Amino acid sequence: GAVVSQHPSWVICKSGTSVKIECRSLDFQATTMFWYRQFPKQSLMLMATSNEGSKATYEQGVEKDKFLINHASLTLSTLTVTSAHPEDSSFYICSARIPTGQETQYFGPGTRLLVL
Amino acid sequence: GQNIDQPTEMTATEGAIVQINCTYQTSGFNGLFWYQQHAGEAPTFLSYNVLDGLEEKGRFSSFLSRSKGYSYLLLKELQMKDSASYLCAVMDSNYQLIWGAGTKLIIKP
Repeated sequence: GAVVSQHPSWVICKSGTSVKIECRSLDFQATTMFWYRQFPKQSLMLMATSNEGSKATYEQGVEKDKFLINHASLTLSTLTVTSAHPEDSSFYICSARIPTGQETQYFGPGTRLLVL
Repeated sequence: GQNIDQPTEMTATEGAIVQINCTYQTSGFNGLFWYQQHAGEAPTFLSYNVLDGLEEKGRFSSFLSRSKGYSYLLLKELQMKDSASYLCAVMDSNYQLIWGAGTKLIIKP
């Protein structure tokens, strides 16, 4: 299957700092990428849809000024958690959709964020 | 509203067969996906169904009935490494994925 990478895999930071997470499609071009958040023992929650060259589409309840998304190229999307707080501690997962065929989303390995 | 229903947890024995059901009600339908998620890891793609019938892929098979809004994932010859959560997701008319809460599958020796 398609390969999606995420970096970093682990982040521990102090409250108030900003954290940037990168999501890359390694062997295909992804016009659309998705950012999810998953709290322990809960389902995936879609945060936003990232479209190359345009503004991201945020889900209801997700603060766009706090979770900045940039999809600058067909292989890279970034999520920046600004002024992180302990309640932002979660497992952040990106996925990318191959633009042809069955619209399958392939997930990156995830980034575990812990805000102290 | 849109919803996906699947059992919260199931238990099965190593070497046996288990069927995980998923029922859905969505605004339109553009395919149903099954993903496997091990604890602490991201989901991995298992299968995609858009037409009625059974899709077989090794030990895993997925079935779809669009008229009934129903799918199942069938796992044969269960192995301990199959212990994971299995997520059912439906792509609606806007090509948005609607996720089920997942079924935690516990495999016992």
